Formats: sequence, C-alpha cells, structure tokens
Amino acid sequence: EVQLVESGGGLVQPGGSLRLSCAASGIIVSSSYMSWVRQAPGKGLEWVSIIFSVHDSGGPTYYADSVKGRFTISRDSSKNAVFLQMNSPRAEDTAVYYCVRLRDYRVEYWGQGTLVAVSS
Amino acid sequence: QTVVTQEPSFSVSPGGTVTLTCGLSSGSVSTNHYPSWYQQTPGQIPRTLIYTTNTRSSGVPDRFSGSILGNKAALTITGAQADDESDYYCMLYMGSGTWVFGGGTKLTVV
Repeated sequence: EVQLVESGGGLVQPGGSLRLSCAASGIIVSSSYMSWVRQAPGKGLEWVSIIFSVHDSGGPTYYADSVKGRFTISRDSSKNAVFLQMNSPRAEDTAVYYCVRLRDYRVEYWGQGTLVAVSS
Repeated sequence: QTVVTQEPSFSVSPGGTVTLTCGLSSGSVSTNHYPSWYQQTPGQIPRTLIYTTNTRSSGVPDRFSGSILGNKAALTITGAQADDESDYYCMLYMGSGTWVFGGGTKLTVV
C-alpha cells in the first residue's frame, strides 16, 4: 500500500520560512516524479512544483510561476522523503499542500495534505 | 500566461449525460497536453478519474469517459448519479516540466 504523509504545516508569518515534509512508503521517491499540489481555502487545485526521477536527466526541478524563486523542492533518498522549502511566504500561499506522485502525466497517489496558514 | 478554462458550474438530471470541457485561453488542447481529470467532494482528497486523455483510473466506472472535442479536452458522464455531484478539475501538461489545473467545474445533479 502506498502512503504519502505530509507534515510541517502550520502558521507562518509573511516573509518567514517553513519546510514541508512528505514521508513516502510503498514507493521509491528517487525513482518517482514527486510533486506538490495546493488548494487554498474554498478554491481550486494548483500545481506547485515537481522533482523528476533521478533516472530522468538527473532529476531536475520545476515550479509554477507563482512560487518560482521562493519555494524549493528537494528529496532525501535515504529517508524516502520529499520536501518543500517555503521562503518569503505570502498570504496567498495559504492552502492545504498535498504531496503527490505523478505518473503518466497524472496524479497517481495523493497524500492527506497539510495546512499552511500565512498570517501575521 | 496561458490559463486553463473550465465551466464554473454545470447541472445535470439524474440519469442524464453531461460533458465538461477543459480549454486554453490561448490555443487548443491536444493529446500532447496529456489531459487528466479529478473529482473532489467537499472535505475530501481529490480522486483521479481519467488520464492521458481517455484512460480510466483503476476502479473508475465506465460511465466516465474522456476525449478531445474540437479544441478542448472533455469529460463525459453518462447516466449521472447523485453521488457524481462534485467539483471536477482538469490538469494539463504545459511542457517544460510544468502542469496547470483548470479552475474547476461544480457539477450539480438535480
């Protein structure tokens, strides 16, 4: 059974920093296309970032324009985990953040999500 | 920046057929965008319905189908049921390692 368990959410001040974690079981993170998708309260889904499999061009990373330059996705193969470092968050970054695995260009597995609230 | 467009809301009668669409503010949707569709009910995690235009995810009933209609991706629900009342999102691959979700369609079965 595949499980993606997010943690690290909470209240953060604008301009601060927060690191989200996603612990995976049942899949190998380094061989997967791991991504973050978020959903602001009462709003739709938004794709945030992806880290490619290490077997695909070494595992590059990509970001939505809304977070580029502020957020960084990474992984730790020894922990089978993915991370999202959120720097200089803004009020509009307030959302539930889902860790997901992409396969065949779609979300194959969803985590339960972790809530991030950006407020002073 | 290209926006992925969906109907904000749609209504269907029980037993009826409805087609939701997913377009681009500039250009046409093609199979090269690898359209996928997701169903979400309030308070729940999204469920993946369709991927690579018309492939059903495991366990998804065959009354859900995907296609390209004209210049848009489409999700058709045949024989709508009460528990199909949900929000539906499409997601497109935009190239260069990036994806975009549409704004979602709120489907009412009434």
